[in-house]
Amino acid sequence: DIQMTQSPSSLSASVGDRVTITCRASQTVNNYLNWYQQKPGKAPKLLIFGASSLQSGVPSRFSGSGSGTDFTLTISGLQLEDFATYYCHQSYGATTWTFGQGTKVEIK
Amino acid sequence: EVQLVESGGGLVQPGGSLRLSCPASGFTFSIYWMTWVRQAPGKGLEWVANIKGDGSEKYYVDSVRGRFTISRDNAKNSLFLQMNGLRAEDTAVYYCARVDYYASGWGTYCPAIDSWGQGTLVTVSS
Repeated sequence: DIQMTQSPSSLSASVGDRVTITCRASQTVNNYLNWYQQKPGKAPKLLIFGASSLQSGVPSRFSGSGSGTDFTLTISGLQLEDFATYYCHQSYGATTWTFGQGTKVEIK
Repeated sequence: EVQLVESGGGLVQPGGSLRLSCPASGFTFSIYWMTWVRQAPGKGLEWVANIKGDGSEKYYVDSVRGRFTISRDNAKNSLFLQMNGLRAEDTAVYYCARVDYYASGWGTYCPAIDSWGQGTLVTVSS
């Protein structure tokens, strides 16, 4: 099975900061990599699909990059509403999917 | 508007069974892969199972294979998860969700979970 390792597991940042979260797959997932945002008590929300494509309605300060095994989610200019937990998700093949363990973005 | 509303969660003893239901509306249910994702209290997301639009393909995470069964009734626009042999480690919020395929360059289509229900809590405890 493909394992997904996110780092860091948590970070503290201020409004306006640039934040970078990384996700590494144990084997290639090509570009079948998605990012989600989850706020406490709520369902996750799709931010990025296919490693780098922005989901409709998601602010352009969110961006994704990478392919193969190494991926990055960047938030350029952190806003108050961005404090949440972020998960990467590999969907390479329909048979077994996995999520990263999550990165909690907290207010400094 | 896509709507997914899970029900059927609750408290069950170890070894017991529960059946989760998820009626869907706002989209052509029968053409979409659907999925169940769970989240243990205070923990991260864990993919549980996928089912193809016509029900002909089903896939499970190793930890539930043989105990859980994903199914759907396209005539009633509903997704189900039959959970047998429940264990304490199955305690979680279970989300019903829709999978869509997104064009992502180089002629590929990336499956992503684009709509989620609100979740239903399953607690396995004696």
